[in-house]
Amino acid sequence: EAQVTQNPRYLITVTGKKLTVTCSQNMNHEYMSWYRQDPGLGLRQIYYSMNVEVTDKGDVPEGYKVSRKEKRNFPLILESPSPNQTSLYFCASSLDRGPYNEQFFGPGTRLTVL
Amino acid sequence: DAKTTQPNSMESNEEEPVHLPCNHSTISGTDYIHWYRQLPSQGPEYVIHGLTSNVNNRMASLAIAEDRKSSTLILHRATLRDAAVYYCILRRGDYKLSFGAGTTVTVRA
Repeated sequence: EAQVTQNPRYLITVTGKKLTVTCSQNMNHEYMSWYRQDPGLGLRQIYYSMNVEVTDKGDVPEGYKVSRKEKRNFPLILESPSPNQTSLYFCASSLDRGPYNEQFFGPGTRLTVL
Repeated sequence: DAKTTQPNSMESNEEEPVHLPCNHSTISGTDYIHWYRQLPSQGPEYVIHGLTSNVNNRMASLAIAEDRKSSTLILHRATLRDAAVYYCILRRGDYKLSFGAGTTVTVRA
């Protein structure tokens, strides 16, 4: 089954404790991205990657890192999480950056930073 | 970025059609119109997209105005499973989707 998977689905952590949220897709997609969703602010893009070893900032990259060493994986790293990073995070992928391509979203990771 | 305007909410009865409007008066010639929906506690899900012509797929139909300044997503027979937030988005060939607030659709049994 074609899908985007994220782990963990739920995470509660404390300020300053480094964490990684994994994202993997099995569709051989070139393009992957991370979004966060907050009440009243909608979905905002954090980082995106157009291919292996190519990443770039989205609208709200501060406090996040990403890497794309393999085509299928695109982990989101919070080096020193803070309470304002408490949010619902979604990973997404699409075949490439073409405007006619649909994006496939993962199930989400709900992160709470105390 | 070109913006879209949608009503905050709409209600429908089960098995009746739902017409969701979207205004995008600043759309450019290369913008594709995409619709996504987000069911409760799930990630967004692609519904349909189009450029100039009306489009149909198994989930919905997309009617695009001749001047492309507006479009309508049509759910032909709403079911309880169609209750979701529906987002109308313009894509130009850049790297992101910009989601607005969307339209919350409620389906009454």
